[in-house]
Amino acid sequence: GAVVSQHPSWVICKSGTSVKIECRSLDFQATTMFWYRQFPKQSLMLMATSNEGSKATYEQGVEKDKFLINHASLTLSTLTVTSAHPEDSSFYICSATGTLVTDTQYFGPGTRLTVL
Amino acid sequence: KQEVTQIPAALSVPEGENLVLNCSFTDSAIYNLQWFRQDPGKGLTSLLLIQSSQREQTSGRLNASLDKSSGRSTLYIAASQPGDSATYLCAVYIQGAQKLVFGQGTRLTINP
Repeated sequence: GAVVSQHPSWVICKSGTSVKIECRSLDFQATTMFWYRQFPKQSLMLMATSNEGSKATYEQGVEKDKFLINHASLTLSTLTVTSAHPEDSSFYICSATGTLVTDTQYFGPGTRLTVL
Repeated sequence: KQEVTQIPAALSVPEGENLVLNCSFTDSAIYNLQWFRQDPGKGLTSLLLIQSSQREQTSGRLNASLDKSSGRSTLYIAASQPGDSATYLCAVYIQGAQKLVFGQGTRLTINP
């Protein structure tokens, strides 16, 4: 149980375009979802926390207008990287908690974004 | 602000050795501590979760300990195998905030 999926697993886009990444909880209701970014050989850095039906809470230094997060249902959250630039190239990982899984987060497999 | 530090940053040992990975955190007000494994280009696999009231957890060849008062945790791997090669991440769950704070990880290489 407690499976989280992400789509796509990798994406390559041109500079200036927007990219949407989906995060889904497959077998539980995810009341809260988290988005992390991981640069090569570095650890995970939390970008934002989203609760279903509410606006996301962004960590300090994360541009909310650049990284749009939508958590419209209890099983789906999306991260849209707007006007992507090469420096946005990174590994993006989502995680989720729910009413039955409150003491930890379950992680998706990650999405590799490369901006040319 | 909670900070998590992992030592060493990288470790290379011959197959069969027992080894210890270290994790320290600055604020003892944690809900739990978790060890993850990450293979290159992949997501996270949860290995062990220790609640703040517990001292240790075991799973197969892995044993994790927690000393909350001193802000330390260790991950012990017995009889290491080449398949154990990966990055190991320690993370603490902050009470009330539902936030996981990660260490920088230890890149482990087990040589055949």
